Amino acid sequence: GQNIDQPTEMTATEGAIVQINCTYQTSGFNGLFWYQQHAGEAPTFLSYNVLDGLEEKGRFSSFLSRSKGYSYLLLKELQMKDSASYLCAVMGSNYQLIWGAGTKLIIKP
Amino acid sequence: IAGITQAPTSQILAAGRRMTLRCTQDMRHNAMYWYRQDLGLGLRLIHYSNTAGTTGKGEVPDGYSVSRANTDDFPLTLASAVPSQTSVYFCASSELAGGQDTQYFGPGTRLTVL
Repeated sequence: GQNIDQPTEMTATEGAIVQINCTYQTSGFNGLFWYQQHAGEAPTFLSYNVLDGLEEKGRFSSFLSRSKGYSYLLLKELQMKDSASYLCAVMGSNYQLIWGAGTKLIIKP
Repeated sequence: IAGITQAPTSQILAAGRRMTLRCTQDMRHNAMYWYRQDLGLGLRLIHYSNTAGTTGKGEVPDGYSVSRANTDDFPLTLASAVPSQTSVYFCASSELAGGQDTQYFGPGTRLTVL
């Protein structure tokens, strides 16, 4: 079957760094997406990885290892506004997205 | 402002009633999607449309129908609502279907079926 796993909840301190992991088992792979979703709002796009390695975009970076079925999202210099859920999604062989349940990130001052 | 709109924002519905959730985008995107989001579960695809005039079934299509008469609109209909359809429904669109095209989401419709 197809499965995407990510931690349910994480807590971090303002100004610190946090890494949110995502592991996946899917039939086919056509890229991995990270989205941010604030409570009561729509998901918004953060990053896309299709090749192995690190993609950096400001305070956010995303890493992919296709051989390990593994990705992480790295958030630096955490701000209170980063409190949100972070969704990992994989595009499978049928070009549809398969979504993880999301990681709720709580930032403490 | 370009984007996706959904209506209604929220709705309480009696079981057995028919309901249509509306979705309109003005980005001229080819592909559109309907998802439901339930606590503790990932977004689940209900139906999708790769281009106007075509539709396809996603992971959880039972009890739902869609149409795509034009590029901009993609309504989702619940023919006879049941309590298990209580959820938050998101409409999304992307320029093309598949690949690295980012999906953009509407604000969602919170539906409660009693």
